[in-house]
Amino acid sequence: EDQVTQSPEALRLQEGESSSLNCSYTVSGLRGLFWYRQDPGKGPEFLFTLYSAGEEKEKERLKATLTKKESFLHITAPKPEDSATYLCAVQARNNDMRFGAGTRLTVKP
Amino acid sequence: ETGVTQTPRHLVMGMTNKKSLKCEQHLGHNAMYWYKQSAKKPLELMFVYNFKEQTENNSVPSRFSPECPNSSHLFLHLHTLQPEDSALYLCASSQDSTDYTFGSGTRLTVV
Repeated sequence: EDQVTQSPEALRLQEGESSSLNCSYTVSGLRGLFWYRQDPGKGPEFLFTLYSAGEEKEKERLKATLTKKESFLHITAPKPEDSATYLCAVQARNNDMRFGAGTRLTVKP
Repeated sequence: ETGVTQTPRHLVMGMTNKKSLKCEQHLGHNAMYWYKQSAKKPLELMFVYNFKEQTENNSVPSRFSPECPNSSHLFLHLHTLQPEDSALYLCASSQDSTDYTFGSGTRLTVV
């Protein structure tokens, strides 16, 4: 069965303290791996799609990487406005999407 | 209006009430979805509509009843809900199962 596990469940950083969020997955044929950002009381907002192992994508302070078993979301020199819940999802070749439970990131000034 | 719009943003209902959630997408997508999001749990897919036809119903209790009158509008009709149904209900749309776009959700509280 397809599975997505995100760790840690919660992460508290000081402003400027770089770190990484993990998304481990098992899927029967990967069509794509997605990262979303979700602010309190709002829906998930799309960040990245990764399609194959070795692929990397960057956006401002965020960089997503992908291997055959996991993806990392690296946050470089985070700011308080980066505080949010980050969701990972995998889409199988049959188009089924499965989401992780998310990592709740808090960046203290 | 752009993207995916959900109304109402917040809803409090008694267990004997009947209410409806509304979703509208302005992206020209051909698929729409209802998801349930509970605290510290992954998003749970409830219903999928492709070109107005329901293609998936993930063993959702009959107290939740979806309606998709056209490819831009999606409703979730609620009746005799239980307190454990309290959650954030998210609508999403996609084009050919890509470019998933979510609405802001309806925060439902059942009392």
